Amino acid sequence: NAGVTQTPKFRVLKTGQSMTLLCAQDMNHEYMYWYRQDPGMGLRLIHYSVGEGTTAKGEVPDGYNVSRLKKQNFLLGLESAAPSQTSVYFCASTPPRQGLYEQYFGPGTRLTVT
Amino acid sequence: GQQLNQSPQSMFIQEGEDVSMNCTSSSIFNTWLWYKQDPGEGPVLLIALYKAGELTSNGRLTAQFGTTRKDSFLNISASIPSDVGIYFCAVRLSGTYKYIFGTGTRLKVLA
Repeated sequence: NAGVTQTPKFRVLKTGQSMTLLCAQDMNHEYMYWYRQDPGMGLRLIHYSVGEGTTAKGEVPDGYNVSRLKKQNFLLGLESAAPSQTSVYFCASTPPRQGLYEQYFGPGTRLTVT
Repeated sequence: GQQLNQSPQSMFIQEGEDVSMNCTSSSIFNTWLWYKQDPGEGPVLLIALYKAGELTSNGRLTAQFGTTRKDSFLNISASIPSDVGIYFCAVRLSGTYKYIFGTGTRLKVLA
């Protein structure tokens, strides 16, 4: 199993450009999440999905959109990038086992918006 | 909003020393998770706690779910250089599928 993978690993965007970050998991996990990590602020939840075709807002959703068309993939889109979106983005997934809530993280995407 | 306060923010220790860190909140939670993040990597789950008072070990790591359900503690015994990294606590918000994370404890081990 590859676990949780993220593409790309690094990206530089100019203000106003758009891009999509891809998260894929091969563990048949039901729940998937997108976080951003900024220095000294830990991880903050952007959006999450509890199953194929469903998405919901997290703590900091503004400026981002997501889609979960297939169970194994969770896409994060930036329609018009801003310098405030410079961050490291992590995807995570959680198995559907009742009562167990461990999250498994991908390696991250480092995004710089100039 | 709900917050997790981690202490200390950072620490330097000598190799071989024991390390203690904690995570506190003003709210009650039913699940506490501890992660470690190496530089340039994603967080990796170390220990998951599901019951108040629970004490769980994973090698040299021991974590406890506080009896008030408002805190948790992580201890590392006989630290080694590869213990360097950022340690995060996290909780699942009751009745939701959402999680919040502490701001982390940065550990540096001096050989």
